[in-house]
Amino acid sequence: GIQVEQSPPDLILQEGANSTLRCNFSDSVNNLQWFHQNPWGQLINLFYIPSGTKQNGRLSATTVATERYSLLYISSSQTTDSGVYFCAVGAQKLVFGQGTRLTINP
Amino acid sequence: GAVVSQHPSRVICKSGTSVKIECRSLDFQATTMFWYRQFPKQSLMLMATSNEGSKATYEQGVEKDKFLINHASLTLSTLTVTSAHPEDSSFYICSAREAGGLSYEQYFGPGTRLTVT
Repeated sequence: GIQVEQSPPDLILQEGANSTLRCNFSDSVNNLQWFHQNPWGQLINLFYIPSGTKQNGRLSATTVATERYSLLYISSSQTTDSGVYFCAVGAQKLVFGQGTRLTINP
Repeated sequence: GAVVSQHPSRVICKSGTSVKIECRSLDFQATTMFWYRQFPKQSLMLMATSNEGSKATYEQGVEKDKFLINHASLTLSTLTVTSAHPEDSSFYICSAREAGGLSYEQYFGPGTRLTVT
């Protein structure tokens, strides 16, 4: 089945810093989603981005489908950005990566 | 738009009893819903795919007789954990994909934390 790898596994930054999270996947996909899991476990949809580039405020994402990777950029980090970020890929079914745990210190 | 709810949000039950978890798409119709399981500090693992009006498709290693899934309408899927045991304690999350939609995007519920004592 499809393999999904996220890096780095952990990231600790100071408030105001920028960060880049990476998601590599092993096969072509029709669906790629980025999520932020909040402390209560809720998955917040950040982007649906099987290809191309999207931006939403301080967040943006780029997926290069031909090279099988996606990047999530967070600019001017805030403490509320802390949590686990997952990418998930697939078509009918989603396979989740292991996540990146982001900690933003004040 | 695209809101998915789950009920209950948290449940504690005794070993040997059964627990039903509901997943509802509130503002769209979903022919396909998915059930995931997440253990502490781990990722989400797909348990089964639920299609309205037909039998669910279970992932390898998931006991279909233990995790009963029913998708009786375009807005409701239920997961029943039968004869629950402490090792079934976990965070269960459902998702839904919009019927007739052009995209494969899934929308996730807030999850149900099950504790079996």
